[in-house]
Amino acid sequence: DIVMTQSPDSLAVSLGERATINCKSSQSVLHISNNKNSLAWYQQKPRQPPKLLIYWASTRESGVPDRFSGAGSGTDFTLTISSLQAEDVAVYYCQQYFSAPYTFGQGTKLEMK
Amino acid sequence: EVQLLESGGDLVQPGGSLRLSCAASGFTFTSYAMNWVRQAPGKGLEWVSGISGSGGSTYYADSVKGRFTISRDNFKNTLSLQMNSLRADDTAVYYCAKAGGYYYDSSGYHSTEYFQRWGQGTLVTVSS
Repeated sequence: DIVMTQSPDSLAVSLGERATINCKSSQSVLHISNNKNSLAWYQQKPRQPPKLLIYWASTRESGVPDRFSGAGSGTDFTLTISSLQAEDVAVYYCQQYFSAPYTFGQGTKLEMK
Repeated sequence: EVQLLESGGDLVQPGGSLRLSCAASGFTFTSYAMNWVRQAPGKGLEWVSGISGSGGSTYYADSVKGRFTISRDNFKNTLSLQMNSLRADDTAVYYCAKAGGYYYDSSGYHSTEYFQRWGQGTLVTVSS
């Protein structure tokens, strides 16, 4: 199984500042066939289901604000929120869909400083 | 608009059975793989099971293999999860999730198992 490890476990950022969350996979999730990384990011607010933010490591889902961006390749990935807004307070998860079982990171709790 | 509505969650005793359902609408159901993802109280996300658009291929996490069975009815646009031999550690909110679609390469079509849309979830509690 591919193990996904996020860092940090929690993060406090001031309004308008940049937030960066890291995700590392235990093996590469890069598909040679299409040169894309099978890595997604989700946002989960309290008492709500997760919401897809990013897929293929850097493709923003429709309707997601452009302050959210994803980067990385192979085994190391980042989710960046360029200017934190109050509504971005949530738990963020990365997930690999390179191979079953499709595994998630443990989550990163993002709070306002 | 894509809608996924789960039902069937309940309180059940250890060793018991339960069947979850997910009614899908707003998209061409047969064109997408579907999945179940669960979240234990206060914990993270765990993928449970997936099924291809045709229903011909199914996948399970080791933690549920042999106890849970995923299925779909492409005429009724419904996804199901039959859960047997339930244990306390199966207690969780169970989400139905629509996969992202398919991509094509030299070896054919492949489902992209990121979870593009989620239902609101249904709570399963296993306790005596």
